[in-house]
Amino acid sequence: AQSVTQLDSQVPVFEEAPVELRCNYSSSVSVYLFWYVQYPNQGLQLLLKYLSGSTLVESINGFEAEFNKSQTSFHLRKPSVHISDTAEYFCAVHTGGYQKVTFGIGTKLQVIP
Amino acid sequence: DAGVIQSPRHEVTEMGQEVTLRCKPISGHDYLFWYRQTMMRGLELLIYFNNNVPIDDSGMPEDRFSAKMPNASFSTLKIQPSEPRDSAVYFCASSLRRGVGGYTFGSGTRLTVV
Repeated sequence: AQSVTQLDSQVPVFEEAPVELRCNYSSSVSVYLFWYVQYPNQGLQLLLKYLSGSTLVESINGFEAEFNKSQTSFHLRKPSVHISDTAEYFCAVHTGGYQKVTFGIGTKLQVIP
Repeated sequence: DAGVIQSPRHEVTEMGQEVTLRCKPISGHDYLFWYRQTMMRGLELLIYFNNNVPIDDSGMPEDRFSAKMPNASFSTLKIQPSEPRDSAVYFCASSLRRGVGGYTFGSGTRLTVV
């Protein structure tokens, strides 16, 4: 079975400060990993994904995540956040043998001016 | 492509009434998923289809819920009769290749049962 743990339900951070949103997963097989972002009153949008290859993946708006197999983690980071980054962020895991994704409970990022 | 389209965006109904939520997936996507999101339970997978065939409906909470996908471009989620505890945001998502590349979500339907 696969599972995802997002350790922080809420993360307040000042504008222009760095942020890390933590995600750990468990799976007995190889995984594909995702981060989704949900802005208020909208659906989830794919932010970035790790399928294979380089363990560091980046999004177009400055977020990055690193796949760490030994620690079974896929933490999301941004060196300097903006007000517009205020949203809820979901980590998700997909194993090739299953046909569905398991989502974490989400982390609310609140950027403080 | 206009993305995954859901309708209505908001639905308010009285307890006991039938509710039908609609979804148009992205053209060419062969997987379709229905999710429910609440504050208490987060994001829950209700059911998913592959090539219009229901594959796993183990997340459907009870017999009051049913879902259909009569063709590749349309799916419905029906609740009959509705209850206040069904109040939630319902999302439809679609994907290619079992979702390995990620899902595309619709904007959701916010259902309120009074």
